[in-house]
Amino acid sequence: GQNIDQPTEMTATEGAIVQINCTYQTSGFNGLFWYQQHAGEAPTFLSYNVLDGLEEKGRFSSFLSRSKGYSYLLLKELQMKDSASYLCAVRDLNTNAGKSTFGDGTTLTVKP
Amino acid sequence: DGGITQSPKYLFRKEGQNVTLSCEQNLNHDAMYWYRQDPGQGLRLIYYSQIVNDFQKGDIAEGYSVSREKKESFPLTVTSAQKNPTAFYLCASSPPGYSGNTIYFGEGSWLTVV
Repeated sequence: GQNIDQPTEMTATEGAIVQINCTYQTSGFNGLFWYQQHAGEAPTFLSYNVLDGLEEKGRFSSFLSRSKGYSYLLLKELQMKDSASYLCAVRDLNTNAGKSTFGDGTTLTVKP
Repeated sequence: DGGITQSPKYLFRKEGQNVTLSCEQNLNHDAMYWYRQDPGQGLRLIYYSQIVNDFQKGDIAEGYSVSREKKESFPLTVTSAQKNPTAFYLCASSPPGYSGNTIYFGEGSWLTVV
């Protein structure tokens, strides 16, 4: 099984940078997802890390350290539309992507 | 266009009543999933199916039932045994195998007990 921790809420200012952390404990690691979810909508895929290091995709970057059981999602040049919940999900070995275990999400509020 | 269709978007259930949420996909995916999401929480897996005519319980299967008679369809029934069914329900699918990293979600269904 897995245990996933992420902060419940964060607030940041438009145009700034924010880092959302996720720590996990798992018996067999096979990848970590980040999803964005606006209220009342389905999650949308942001990133998938399986190897250590930083992956950049436009304004969003995701970092993974498997030895530390740690990941973060970095959002640059924040926009009001980035106000959403950000879900961290960890996938075990020999499982389909859909069987990942999800954290409770971090609600990000972007203020003018 | 390919995708996952859930219906209805909003559903109200009376006490003691069974209700069924529909999920249809035209992505030709073998694996399908049902999740439940409560306010301020992540997704919890109810049931999943990796192939037609086969399905497995997830973490919170009690009070729910599913069927997988066709590859395209994976309906979820919320039975009267589920004592607290008010939640947001999400259906998803993924390509077969363990190497894929993509989950496709439907738009979700809101279920409220009245």
